[in-house]
Amino acid sequence: DAMVIQNPRYQVTQFGKPVTLSCSQTLNHNVMYWYQQKSSQAPKLLFHYYDKDFNNEADTPDNFQSRRPNTSFCFLDIRSPGLGDAAMYLCATSRQQGRGRTDTQYFGPGTRLTVL
Amino acid sequence: AQSVSQHNHHVILSEAASLELGCNYSYGGTVNLFWYVQYPGQHLQLLLKYFSGDPLVKGIKGFEAEFIKSKFSFNLRKPSVQWSDTAEYFCAVNAGDSWGKLQFGAGTQVVVTP
Repeated sequence: DAMVIQNPRYQVTQFGKPVTLSCSQTLNHNVMYWYQQKSSQAPKLLFHYYDKDFNNEADTPDNFQSRRPNTSFCFLDIRSPGLGDAAMYLCATSRQQGRGRTDTQYFGPGTRLTVL
Repeated sequence: AQSVSQHNHHVILSEAASLELGCNYSYGGTVNLFWYVQYPGQHLQLLLKYFSGDPLVKGIKGFEAEFIKSKFSFNLRKPSVQWSDTAEYFCAVNAGDSWGKLQFGAGTQVVVTP
């Protein structure tokens, strides 16, 4: 089945130790998103890639970076995780047909990040 | 700024009861509206969506939602819930004149008791 895959499902890191979360998709969607979801809160968009174009949300800390080496893969890099970065990180994809049109976003299972 | 409000954070009800979850948004232009569900231990998945046309939309598993433009609302309903409907439900809004960015509500945790 076509899907969005996230690895690992659980990640433990130490305060200040860089960590990378990965996302892959078999849907061949042109847009990939990274969301942060803290306990009992709404998913919050960090950034997205429209094809190769990176789009950062204005309030996303510089500590968070992303890479998309090809259509299928997207990475979330947290350069120096703090205790406040502990959360579920969700990857999503969609097929976007330009500004003014949207489509369903398909979500991966998420990676739960713990910062010690 | 655009916002999405879900009125109930937690709902507990018995099997066969009817469910209605409220969702209001604050954007005045054209919107695309979604309800997502997250079952325990599973990923977010789409329940239903509204882009245009009939404001009453039907989704999977017997859910439906009604878009009332004058009230900026997109409430989710199910006439008779089952234990398997226990999940967290998220309303999400996309401003129609933008790209696909979704603004999520805070979610409603629904617990259905046998």
